[in-house]
Amino acid sequence: NAGVTQTPKFQVLKTGQSMTLQCAQDMNHEYMSWYRQDPGMGLRLIHYSVGAGITDQGEVPNGYNVSRSTTEDFPLRLLSAAPSQTSVYFCASSYSPTGYNEQFFGPGTRLTVL
Amino acid sequence: EDKVVQSPLSLVVHEGDTVTLNCSYEVTNFRSLLWYKQEKKAPTFLFMLTSSGIEKKSGRLSSILDKKELSSILNITATQTGDSAIYLCAVEVQGAQKLVFGQGTRLTINP
Repeated sequence: NAGVTQTPKFQVLKTGQSMTLQCAQDMNHEYMSWYRQDPGMGLRLIHYSVGAGITDQGEVPNGYNVSRSTTEDFPLRLLSAAPSQTSVYFCASSYSPTGYNEQFFGPGTRLTVL
Repeated sequence: EDKVVQSPLSLVVHEGDTVTLNCSYEVTNFRSLLWYKQEKKAPTFLFMLTSSGIEKKSGRLSSILDKKELSSILNITATQTGDSAIYLCAVEVQGAQKLVFGQGTRLTINP
């Protein structure tokens, strides 16, 4: 199993550009989520999904969109990038359909917005 | 608002020392507390605690939950340079389907 994979590993954007961060898991996990990690602030939840077709907002959803058309994939879209979105983004998944228990994390995407 | 606070934020010790990392929480409906270790990339799972007073142990690492004090500690004995990492504490909020993370403790072990 590859576990949770994320692409790209690094990305530089200009203010106003849009892009999609990809996340996939091959563990048949129902729950998937996106976090951003900024220095001194731990991980903050952006959006999450408890199954295909179901998504909901986390703590810091503004400026981001998600969709979940399949169990395996959970892309995160930045609509119009801003310097405040410079961060490291982690995708995570867990088996439980209610999102409880251990979450498995992807390797992260380091995003810089100029 | 659900909140998790870790202390200290940063800690530097010598190899062989014992360290204690702290995590306190204020959440609406506690379900469990999790500890993760983050080296250069993704956080990796260490422990999940649900019951007060029951120690979880893995090698030199151990952790315990105190629901009365709304806190948990992570102990590392006989530290090694490979223990250098950010240690993250997270609380699972029942009914909210999310983990709330603390800021993390950056632990540095000097040889």
